[in-house]
Amino acid sequence: EAQVTQNPRYLITVTGKKLTVTCSQNMNHEYMSWYRQDPGLGLRQIYYSMNVEVTDKGDVPEGYKVSRKEKRNFPLILESPSPNQTSLYFCASSLSRRGEQPQHFGDGTRLSIL
Amino acid sequence: AQSVTQLDSHVSVSEGTPVLLRCNYSSSYSPSLFWYVQHPNKGLQLLLKYTSAATLVKGINGFEAEFKKSETSFHLTKPSAHMSDAAEYFCVVSVRNFNKFYFGSGTKLNVKP
Repeated sequence: EAQVTQNPRYLITVTGKKLTVTCSQNMNHEYMSWYRQDPGLGLRQIYYSMNVEVTDKGDVPEGYKVSRKEKRNFPLILESPSPNQTSLYFCASSLSRRGEQPQHFGDGTRLSIL
Repeated sequence: AQSVTQLDSHVSVSEGTPVLLRCNYSSSYSPSLFWYVQHPNKGLQLLLKYTSAATLVKGINGFEAEFKKSETSFHLTKPSAHMSDAAEYFCVVSVRNFNKFYFGSGTKLNVKP
C-alpha cells in the first residue's frame, strides 16, 4: 500500500530535550515536505526536499532541522524544543518537485513541549 | 507572491442539501490548485486538483470545483451533503516548477441530520 509513515504519532516532552520525528514514504517520490498545523492558520511549510541531499527552507524553518540522506526518509529534528513548537506536524511527499503534483500526507504527529 | 483565502472558517448544512466552500487565491503565475479534506486525527486526503486543463474539475465523493481566473476563485461544491462529509477542508495553491505549497486556513464543514 502506498503510504507516508510518521513516527511517533504522539509525543509529550520537555523544553530543550532533542527529538526526531521520522517520516518514510514507499512511493519513490522525489519531493518531501514537513508542515505544522496550528488552529486558524492552516498548514505552514517548515522545510522541503527536492531530492536526496537537497533541502530548503519553507515559511517557518526556525528551530527545526531536516536531512535527506535516502530518498524514502525525511526526518524532522528539533534540537532544542520550546513550547511554541507544540503543534500537529505532517510529512508529505509527491512524485516530483513540480508544483502541479498533489501531495500524499502522513497521519500526523502531535507534539507537546512542556 | 502566492496566497489563499478561505472565506468561511465554519459552514453548516443539512444532510441532502448543497455544499459550497469558498476559496480565493492570489498568484503571480499560472497556479495549480488543490482541495484536500482532513477527517479528525487523520492526514489530508486529495479531493481534486486543477492544473490548467478543464476549468471544471471533478473529484472524489461527488465533489467538484470550478477554476475562475477572472474572479481568482476555486470554490468547492457538492450537490448533496452526506454525514460522512463532515470534516475540515483546505484549499491549496502552488506554482508549476516552484517548490512551495500555500494552504488556506481551512473550513470546517458540519453536516446536520
